[in-house]
Amino acid sequence: QKEVEQDPGPLSVPEGAIVSLNCTYSNSAFQYFMWYRQYSRKGPELLMYTYSSGNKEDGRFTAQVDKSSKYISLFIRDSQPSDSATYLCAPMDTGRRALTFGSGTRLQVQP
Amino acid sequence: GAGVSQSPSNKVTEKGKDVELRCDPISGHTALYWYRQSLGQGLEFLIYFQGNSAPDKSGLPSDRFSAERTGGSVSTLTIQRTQQEDSAVYLCASSFGGTGNEQFFGPGTRLTVL
Repeated sequence: QKEVEQDPGPLSVPEGAIVSLNCTYSNSAFQYFMWYRQYSRKGPELLMYTYSSGNKEDGRFTAQVDKSSKYISLFIRDSQPSDSATYLCAPMDTGRRALTFGSGTRLQVQP
Repeated sequence: GAGVSQSPSNKVTEKGKDVELRCDPISGHTALYWYRQSLGQGLEFLIYFQGNSAPDKSGLPSDRFSAERTGGSVSTLTIQRTQQEDSAVYLCASSFGGTGNEQFFGPGTRLTVL
């Protein structure tokens, strides 16, 4: 079993929809939870991150972590065609500092 | 420069040859990471440098892989006697280090081993 599980998609939604992207993890040592966005043939771009359990909002994006259930979510409101990309969750154990990536969910927002 | 840069952007080599991949981190970042992204394995950690500390090599898949970081800045990842399964995109990232949790990635080097 992988440390981080993520539904690979693809997920196709109409423009303006609310998108929910999710990961589960097994390592209790994870303290920081990152979300990266990756466009085709580009490096991953950090969207936002949270520390421990709770919510964090940044514009149309909200990250949510529930450590009790080891569940990570990213919500995108009013999705745009420019949001079409692969989204990767990447928790981090601060002792080790290496990111452990999920497999990524490919999102397509249809105009 | 404004971001992490990597060279070359693409590298095609023959099985058995050695390759060197280069990474220039963001100026002022003391931590540097190498990751590998392949279709079958996703994005995997390879090695981590922090200042003058001994690197964390726990992610290197075999002793054919090595990396060094000279002067606390530029890093080179070397793969000896390349195999077809080494074909992947090699990504470099940097961060502020001890307290910097945000890792910023470069565009990657796409390696193809024929």
